Amino acid sequence: DAKTTQPTSMDCAEGRAANLPCNHSTISGNEYVYWYRQIHSQGPQYIIHGLKNNETNEMASLIITEDRKSSTLILPHATLRDTAVYYCIVRVAAGGFKTIFGAGTRLFVKA
Amino acid sequence: DAGVIQSPRHEVTEMGQEVTLRCKPISGHNSLFWYRQTMMRGLELLIYFNNNVPIDDSGMPEDRFSAKMPNASFSTLKIQPSEPRDSAVYFCASSLEETQYFGPGTRLLVL
Repeated sequence: DAKTTQPTSMDCAEGRAANLPCNHSTISGNEYVYWYRQIHSQGPQYIIHGLKNNETNEMASLIITEDRKSSTLILPHATLRDTAVYYCIVRVAAGGFKTIFGAGTRLFVKA
Repeated sequence: DAGVIQSPRHEVTEMGQEVTLRCKPISGHNSLFWYRQTMMRGLELLIYFNNNVPIDDSGMPEDRFSAKMPNASFSTLKIQPSEPRDSAVYFCASSLEETQYFGPGTRLLVL
């Protein structure tokens, strides 16, 4: 699986958009970009994933650059409950394949 | 759906004792993953199963660790004998396709 690079931590004001970047310059053509988050003391939670087109769901939006070497997860209106560690992962999209979690980005949403 | 169920939620034991962690995946899922999380090493994949068969156990630390999946609805992770450095949160996750769903974790403390 391709390696990802994320900032160690970020701050965001409550109610503002949180934009979390991820670099994955060695991504392969068949690898997807996945985002998970882990709220303190809980198991990781799936957020969103995509291949090359931008994706949106009820939790977030995922913007992938045209060359697919980087992406941005957007939480449109961050709340205090969005404070968590956010993991960007690239892997093939198939069940039964292992997912390698890096260090992630620790997002602090402040009132 | 109850989600992934893990037991016990907390375990305190003494060095040298056997520890067994249990996991019930989401019904219908065909892949199961065991992770360990510590402050120092982050979230590490220990082993994963596909259709009850171990596919990759390269993350298992040493022979003291063993995992089984006797059927599609149950898996165990055993540590024998346990050591203080095994203290961590152990997560089980299951998936059908590309999204993994994590359990609440078992917090293990080995004294």
